[in-house]
Amino acid sequence: DGGITQSPKYLFRKEGQNVTLSCEQNLNHDAMYWYRQDPGQGLRLIYYSQIVNDFQKGDIAEGYSVSREKKESFPLTVTSAQKNPTAFYLCASSLAGAADTQYFGPGTRLTVL
Amino acid sequence: KQEVTQIPAALSVPEGENLVLNCSFTDSAIYNLQWFRQDPGKGLTSLLLIQSSQREQTSGRLNASLDKSSGRSTLYIAASQPGDSATYLCAVRDWGKLQFGAGTQVVVTP
Repeated sequence: DGGITQSPKYLFRKEGQNVTLSCEQNLNHDAMYWYRQDPGQGLRLIYYSQIVNDFQKGDIAEGYSVSREKKESFPLTVTSAQKNPTAFYLCASSLAGAADTQYFGPGTRLTVL
Repeated sequence: KQEVTQIPAALSVPEGENLVLNCSFTDSAIYNLQWFRQDPGKGLTSLLLIQSSQREQTSGRLNASLDKSSGRSTLYIAASQPGDSATYLCAVRDWGKLQFGAGTQVVVTP
C-alpha cells in the first residue's frame, strides 16, 4: 500500500527542547517537502529536497533542520531556535519534475508547552 | 513574489447547490495550478492539477478552469453533498515551489 507516513500524529515539547518529526514514503519519489500550516493560513514551505543528500531552504527555514540520507526518508528537526513552533506540520513528496503532483502525508501536530 | 488569494474564506451552501470556489494569483508565469481538499486535522488530498498550457480539468463532479492572463482559477463542484464539506486550497507552482492560498472552508448543509 503506497503512501506517505508521518509520525507521531501528536507531539508535545517543552520549550528549549529539540524534536524530530518523521516522514517516510514508499512511492519511489525523488522530491520531498516539509510545510508548516497555521490556523487560517496557507501552507508555507520549510525545506525541500530534490535528490538524496541534497536539500534547499524554503521560505521559513530558520529554526529548522533536515537531512536526506535515504530516498524514502526526510526527517525534520524543530530546534529550540524556532521561536513559535506550535503548528501543524505536513510532509509531501513528488516525482522530480516541476509539473508533478505533490502527495501529502497525514501531518503531525506539534504543541510546545 | 507570488501571492495566492482565495475569497471567500468560508462558504455555506445547502445540499444540491453547485459550489464555485475562486483562486487568484499575482504572477502568471506558473508551471501549473493544483486544487487540494483538506479535512479537519488531516493532510491534503490532490483533487485536480491543471498544467499552464491547459484551460481546464475535469474529474467526476469537479471541474477546474485556469485563466493565466487574468491570474484566476475556479473550482466548480456540481450538486454538492454533505461529504463535500472541507477546506479547499489552491496552489500555484513556480520556480519549483508550490505557493498556497489560505483556503476556503466549505460547509454543505443537508
